[in-house]
Amino acid sequence: DAKTTQPPSMDCAEGRAANLPCNHSTISGNEYVYWYRQIHSQGPQYIIHGLKNNETNEMASLIITEDRKSSTLILPHATLRDTAVYYCIVRVAPFTSGGGADGLTFGKGTHLIIQP
Amino acid sequence: DAGITQSPRHKVTETGTPVTLRCHQTENHRYMYWYRQDPGHGLRLIHYSYGVKDTDKGEVSDGYSVSRSKTEDFLLTLESATSSQTSVYFCAISESGVHEQYFGPGTRLTVT
Repeated sequence: DAKTTQPPSMDCAEGRAANLPCNHSTISGNEYVYWYRQIHSQGPQYIIHGLKNNETNEMASLIITEDRKSSTLILPHATLRDTAVYYCIVRVAPFTSGGGADGLTFGKGTHLIIQP
Repeated sequence: DAGITQSPRHKVTETGTPVTLRCHQTENHRYMYWYRQDPGHGLRLIHYSYGVKDTDKGEVSDGYSVSRSKTEDFLLTLESATSSQTSVYFCAISESGVHEQYFGPGTRLTVT
């Protein structure tokens, strides 16, 4: 799986959009970008994933650059409850390329702090 | 939130004793996973299951065994607990095993 680089921490004001960057310059053509977050003392929470196109769901938007070497997770209207560590993961989707099911590997992530 | 519960939520045990952690889901998802999370190591896969009685090893499976006799339950057993197994253990489920995984609340295990 490709390596990712994220800033260790970021601040954002409540009500503003939080933009979390992720660098994955060695990403392969069949690797997806996934975002999870972990609120203190809770289990990780799936947010969104994408391959090439930008994606949006009820939680967030994922913007992937045309060369796929970086991406940005956007929380459109951050609240205090969005304070968490956000993990960007790049991996081949299981069951493709001849592989089977596998697990997730989290790096250090970005600690996002929403300020009141 | 996905219907995943883990029990117990906290446990303190002594070195050398067997310990079983339970993950229970109400979503009827085919895939279930056990992870451990430690400072400096992030999240690491221990074992996973792709159906009843079908399991496979993950990255850090030594000292752990699993069983899945029903779709809804996935048990993790530490055969003889050691201090290095002190950790927070998370269970996760996935409907297709391809993209989204949904995590339980975790079990904090301390081995003294």
